[in-house]
Amino acid sequence: ETGVTQTPRHLVMGMTNKKSLKCEQHLGHNAMYWYKQSAKKPLELMFVYSLEERVENNSVPSRFSPECPNSSHLFLHLHTLQPEDSALYLCASSQDRPSGSHEQFFGPGTRLTVL
Amino acid sequence: AQSVTQLGSHVSVSEGALVLLRCNYSSSVPPYLFWYVQYPNQGLQLLLKYTSAATLVKGINGFEAEFKKSETSFHLTKPSAHMSDAAEYFCAVSESSGYALNFGKGTSLLVTP
Repeated sequence: ETGVTQTPRHLVMGMTNKKSLKCEQHLGHNAMYWYKQSAKKPLELMFVYSLEERVENNSVPSRFSPECPNSSHLFLHLHTLQPEDSALYLCASSQDRPSGSHEQFFGPGTRLTVL
Repeated sequence: AQSVTQLGSHVSVSEGALVLLRCNYSSSVPPYLFWYVQYPNQGLQLLLKYTSAATLVKGINGFEAEFKKSETSFHLTKPSAHMSDAAEYFCAVSESSGYALNFGKGTSLLVTP
């Protein structure tokens, strides 16, 4: 595997379900991100982890719970979601500052549909 | 906070014509600027980046962008459009501190035969 991978690629869940999205980066980076991409809206940064510690949390509802067990893996745990949470969830990674070049590398995304 | 504005949510060009996608940024300090491309059902792929070196930046697939401080612009161009260039294009700016990449709303490029 190379780059940033995400599983599953597609997920359909009911509002009472609990599911998890997985992201893995094979680039040796030490920062990882979750973004939400909805139709007709700009990309929304949800969570940032640097050296396995959460460094930003942009007012995301508690029904989204991130987990970063090591610098290569990032999870997004989902529970009691709403239909408006249906979106493409993108994971990204980067090399942390000051040595990093600020660019982020993205995975293919998980298309989430909440019924 | 730094931000970018992409003028035109949809741009249509003929195959072989010049591609020009506009991006203006707001920043009180020298920014890092990026262009990403997203094909249907895929993630974002980096096209090119400006990191305060040369003001004319060349990227992949024949794209380039010029950083113009006086105009606070970072427009993306390609001399001759190809059908495979049809995609969504995002301009983004990075804060000098912090981790956020602030994205524009995107421009959908349509290439017609």
